[in-house]
Amino acid sequence: EAGVAQSPRYKIIEKRQSVAFWCNPISGHATLYWYQQILGQGPKLLIQFQNNGVVDDSQLPKDRFSAERLKGVDSTLKIQPAKLEDSAVYLCASSLPQGPPLHFGNGTRLTVT
Amino acid sequence: GENVEQHPSTLSVQEGDSAVIKCTYSDSASNYFPWYKQELGKGPQLIIDIRSNVGEKKDQRIAVTLNKTAKHFSLHITETQPEDSAVYFCAASIGNTPLVFGKGTRLSVIA
Repeated sequence: EAGVAQSPRYKIIEKRQSVAFWCNPISGHATLYWYQQILGQGPKLLIQFQNNGVVDDSQLPKDRFSAERLKGVDSTLKIQPAKLEDSAVYLCASSLPQGPPLHFGNGTRLTVT
Repeated sequence: GENVEQHPSTLSVQEGDSAVIKCTYSDSASNYFPWYKQELGKGPQLIIDIRSNVGEKKDQRIAVTLNKTAKHFSLHITETQPEDSAVYFCAASIGNTPLVFGKGTRLSVIA
């Protein structure tokens, strides 16, 4: 089966600019997650979707981050405006509705200068 | 909320030796414990997982053990090979709640 697809692979922006990331989960996976991975650390959850509804966004910095999953398939994560500390790898993962295991994409590496 | 501690942060072993990575978790309700391998420039890849109704699970050279009383679980890699070199992450979750990850262990297998 095709894995979780993410784009772009790399993005470099200046602080205060905006950026968007895209994720296409594994077919049939109703649950989608966005994780942030800062260099040298483990992934940290930003938001979890079940179909097109938000299940958990308690750790999403809502003043600058937003995410949507229209039609319950693809998802986009946006940062506006970006800060230097947003430099990280943004990982998308998906799972079947009943729960784990989670399957991860290769991520988008964001550098904010 | 759940907190997962992972040790050691770095580990070097000679090719053919065994490697052990340990994790502890804080929430006794956690019931799912996966291990992921992450290579440079790639996303985490699931290598083995265990649920709380099982004490040990093996898959070829990889095994995971779980001690629910002590709230810790370990990854064991035997007969290590250079291609085992990567960063390994443990994680824990309760039911369908999101995974909480440890900080990772960088494993280097020296040929």
